[in-house]
Amino acid sequence: AQKITQTQPGMFVQEKEAVTLDCTYDTSDPSYGLFWYKQPSSGEMIFLIYQGSYDQQNATEGRYSLNFQKARKSANLVISASQLGDSAMYFCAILDTGRRALTFGSGTRLQVQP
Amino acid sequence: DTGVSQDPRHKITKRGQNVTFRCDPISEHNRLYWYRQTLGQGPEFLTYFQNEAQLEKSRLLSDRFSAERPKGSFSTLEIQRTEQGDSAMYLCASSLFGTGLSSPLHFGNGTRLTVT
Repeated sequence: AQKITQTQPGMFVQEKEAVTLDCTYDTSDPSYGLFWYKQPSSGEMIFLIYQGSYDQQNATEGRYSLNFQKARKSANLVISASQLGDSAMYFCAILDTGRRALTFGSGTRLQVQP
Repeated sequence: DTGVSQDPRHKITKRGQNVTFRCDPISEHNRLYWYRQTLGQGPEFLTYFQNEAQLEKSRLLSDRFSAERPKGSFSTLEIQRTEQGDSAMYLCASSLFGTGLSSPLHFGNGTRLTVT
């Protein structure tokens, strides 16, 4: 079974600074995908970034990048140049080749302060 | 691509009543998922369909829950004899299976159920 652990229930960051949200995972499947989603207070789940287990390079999407350390089973999300609109819940999730259903962590609430 | 649509957005019901939620996935997506999310937690998997076939049900899905996707398009999730513990956000998501692991799940805005 897959498991995602997000150890930071809440984080604060100053506007325009960078922040790292931690995610560790556990899976017995050698092929898997890691995803980060953002959930604002309005409730929708917004896909941010994807990292495949065999990808050689860390994924980047605009201000989002993923610090993928396979041996340590970690997939931390880095948000550069934080904006007030980044305030939201952030969820890390894993998808394996078997079930193809995402398993989510408990999330990190990020608050960006002006 | 009009996104995943869920109806209703909010539902308040009395304990013991039955409720039904609807999800319309992105039209070309062949996989449809139901998740449940309680306050302060991540979404928990309930069940998923590939086309009209229900391929997996979580043990969270008690006998009072039933989901259908009759023609491989929209899906319904019914909860019979609702209990206060069923109060949660019910999220629907869809994806295009067969394009690799990188295909993300696209979520709807959810249906918030309150059982009084």
